[in-house]
Amino acid sequence: NAGVTQTPKFQVLKTGQSMTLQCAQDMNHEYMSWYRQDPGMGLRLIHYSVGAGITDQGEVPNGYNVSRSTTEDFPLRLLSAAPSQTSVYFCASSYGPGGYGYTFGSGTRLTVV
Amino acid sequence: KNEVEQSPQNLTAQEGEFITINCSYSVGISALHWLQQHPGGGIVSLFMLSSGKKKHGRLIATINIQEKHSSLHITASHPRDSAVYICAYRRGNEKLTFGTGTRLTIIP
Repeated sequence: NAGVTQTPKFQVLKTGQSMTLQCAQDMNHEYMSWYRQDPGMGLRLIHYSVGAGITDQGEVPNGYNVSRSTTEDFPLRLLSAAPSQTSVYFCASSYGPGGYGYTFGSGTRLTVV
Repeated sequence: KNEVEQSPQNLTAQEGEFITINCSYSVGISALHWLQQHPGGGIVSLFMLSSGKKKHGRLIATINIQEKHSSLHITASHPRDSAVYICAYRRGNEKLTFGTGTRLTIIP
């Protein structure tokens, strides 16, 4: 089925470990983004990309890296996990930053201990 | 203070009731989105609207640009409508700004 595939669904990390959250879409969307969702707060933008080879920071980029080597893939890397990065992460894609055709991945629940 | 205010934060209703969820914002916007997040966590886009009203099945979304207010209505509510409903706005080509959501529970 067409959509956004996000893996893993759950992950537990120890403080200081690194990991990569994978995100792939097959809708030829130019715009891809990563959000984190924390209790009592709206979705917050971590990083986004307007096309292959182009990435930029969102509201809360510290501690995360992204790359966009292809239109389809937009991985999020945690460089050195901290307990403050415990959250639910969502990848999303759309035809543009304004959200037309907005499609979300199923989410990754990350716990950093 | 969140730039997008949703009310109520939590809503419990009986099956069949008419549901209204409200979203208010304080800036001029280009479009407003309504999203649904199911208990399993997945998020689905329901509507994107910039004026007037849109309808999809039992869901109706309205927006009043002058009053900076949008509502999501659910007619003949059903337990499967239980979810968190999130509104988000866009200004120009900027990214979306999200509300914190309204948790809806429909009791059989």
